[in-house]
Amino acid sequence: DAEITQSPRHKITETGRQVTLACHQTWNHNNMFWYRQDLGHGLRLIHYSYGVQDTNKGEVSDGYSVSRSNTEDLPLTLESAASSQTSVYFCASSDPTSGRRTGELFFGEGSRLTVL
Amino acid sequence: GEDVEQSLFLSVREGDSSVINCTYTDSSSTYLYWYKQEPGAGLQLLTYIFSNMDMKQDQRLTVLLNKKDKHLSLRIADTQTGDSAIYFCAESIDDYKLSFGAGTTVTVRA
Repeated sequence: DAEITQSPRHKITETGRQVTLACHQTWNHNNMFWYRQDLGHGLRLIHYSYGVQDTNKGEVSDGYSVSRSNTEDLPLTLESAASSQTSVYFCASSDPTSGRRTGELFFGEGSRLTVL
Repeated sequence: GEDVEQSLFLSVREGDSSVINCTYTDSSSTYLYWYKQEPGAGLQLLTYIFSNMDMKQDQRLTVLLNKKDKHLSLRIADTQTGDSAIYFCAESIDDYKLSFGAGTTVTVRA
């Protein structure tokens, strides 16, 4: 079955370190997204991509970067981790060519990051 | 997700109906969604409604849309313990991006 996987599922790091969260999907979806989930804020969009070599900033992109070198992967990098980036991170994908055009997002199981 | 608002908590007795409310701001949203998040898992689409509809029913779920007031609600009939989860309201903000509310944690008590 096609799926979307995130790794690592849990990570503890120190302030100032670089961290990369991986996201891999096997649906061949063009659209991929990174959200962070924080209590009281719900999901906020960090970065998104509509295809290979395309990346765009979301509402909370400061301190994060992404790259899209192939259809399957959209890694999220925290250049210098800060305590404010402690959160649960969700990757999602969608298929704009499904015909339904409902914009349904398919989510990974999340990566819990703690920055000490 | 600040443009979509929903209450944070709802407690309901097993067998009763649950109603979760949401307000949104973008009147041009084509679709509005309800996602469900179970503990330790990602979000899954529960149901959606096209913006030209007033109501959509899907088994125990009823979605009501009031475009004039930008109000969306989700009613779960005969709520079961398996319905305990966080429910997110979301609106489409362009063809592909979604804006989510803060989520309503529904607790079903016996």
